[in-house]
Amino acid sequence: DQQVKQNSPSLSVQEGRISILNCDYTNSMFDYFLWYKKYPAEGPTFLISISSIKDKNEDGRFTVFLNKSAKHLSLHIVPSQPGDSAVYFCAASENSGYALNFGKGTSLLVTP
Amino acid sequence: GAVVSQHPSWVICKSGTSVKIECRSLDFQATTMFWYRQFPKQSLMLMATSNEGSKATYEQGVEKDKFLINHASLTLSTLTVTSAHPEDSSFYICSAILRGSAGYTFGSGTRLTVV
Repeated sequence: DQQVKQNSPSLSVQEGRISILNCDYTNSMFDYFLWYKKYPAEGPTFLISISSIKDKNEDGRFTVFLNKSAKHLSLHIVPSQPGDSAVYFCAASENSGYALNFGKGTSLLVTP
Repeated sequence: GAVVSQHPSWVICKSGTSVKIECRSLDFQATTMFWYRQFPKQSLMLMATSNEGSKATYEQGVEKDKFLINHASLTLSTLTVTSAHPEDSSFYICSAILRGSAGYTFGSGTRLTVV
């Protein structure tokens, strides 16, 4: 049973614009959330995380928003760059240090 | 930063043979190692969790006698796929927890193809 859902398998955005990737979860025990970037045949690369005590975390061009009541989080990339093109995975755990539950990923394409 | 070295990066084996995948944490002690499997266009699915010096905990539906996990030291965990079959062909990734931190560090993955 998929506890972390990324309902958009793909997203195309023009360079310089904002990319918004969405993620929903069903397990109310999740309190630690992460976003990873992944290329084919490579391991995931950590981007940004957020704990449930916050509703926003920002790191450079990347911002993650968490809406606990809606069990929803999103990753904003501003401005988007062609090098951001990859598959983005949302992941969640019941506590930091526990195994991660991953969504199916969203393939982002940033066009020049 | 923390690095997990995973080998081999790809392997092709004949059906019925066994394959060992290694994950080494470089410059840090990994008290916990997670093993994931990813099928094409699917999410990374947790297979098992291993803690140094103890038996691995397997997720439901993962055969512990088929996927042998050894975490003999704080820097090395291995996954052995025994009697591999074509349906075991997948992308296997390890992830280590840095002792005393919330950081998850992933290996680069192993593409296993069983022919």
